[in-house]
Amino acid sequence: QKEVEQNSGPLSVPEGAIASLNCTYSDRGSQSFFWYRQYSGKSPELIMFIYSNGDKEDGRFTAQLNKASQYVSLLIRDSQPSDSATYLCAAGGYGGSQGNLIFGKGTKLSVKP
Amino acid sequence: KAGVTQTPRYLIKTRGQQVTLSCSPISGHRSVSWYQQTPGQGLQFLFEYFSETQRNKGNFPGRFSGRQFSNSRSEMNVSTLELGDSALYLCASSLGARGITEAFFGQGTRLTVV
Repeated sequence: QKEVEQNSGPLSVPEGAIASLNCTYSDRGSQSFFWYRQYSGKSPELIMFIYSNGDKEDGRFTAQLNKASQYVSLLIRDSQPSDSATYLCAAGGYGGSQGNLIFGKGTKLSVKP
Repeated sequence: KAGVTQTPRYLIKTRGQQVTLSCSPISGHRSVSWYQQTPGQGLQFLFEYFSETQRNKGNFPGRFSGRQFSNSRSEMNVSTLELGDSALYLCASSLGARGITEAFFGQGTRLTVV
């Protein structure tokens, strides 16, 4: 059974701080990992993906992957109130396809002005 | 570049009825995946279609089915609706080629079964 686990939160950080979101996955066959942001009442929007061990940076966002620990994280630097949303971690790449993502239930982030 | 388009946006159906949802992927994308999102279970994978063939399937009953047309548009059908089928149904499109490709979601269809 493939599972992705996330702390449901809410995670509350002050504006300008670093928000750290974490996720673990159960299947070592998972090959790629995605972070989506979902605002209330909206559909998920892709923030970034990672598939190699280490860090990947994109603007204020840094994704980290540790395959040995089966752990993925997302750091958001200089958090803004507009970052307040639910962050979904997903694992994929099963059988070479990226179309069957396994999602965690999401961490709700609240950035306080 | 147009995004993923799902129609209709909202639906209200009666228990026992059937429903068909439509998804038009981003131009050039050949893979369409369907997901069900509920407050309790989160986002759950239903199935993926690539080049008109079902490539992957999640753990949903046979009442949930889909198909993909030659222009990559996809439809999802749910027969004999149950109250528990009330959810946001999302489709995501991706290039579908081997390797890492991002999946982009449509706005979803909110289905309410009464």
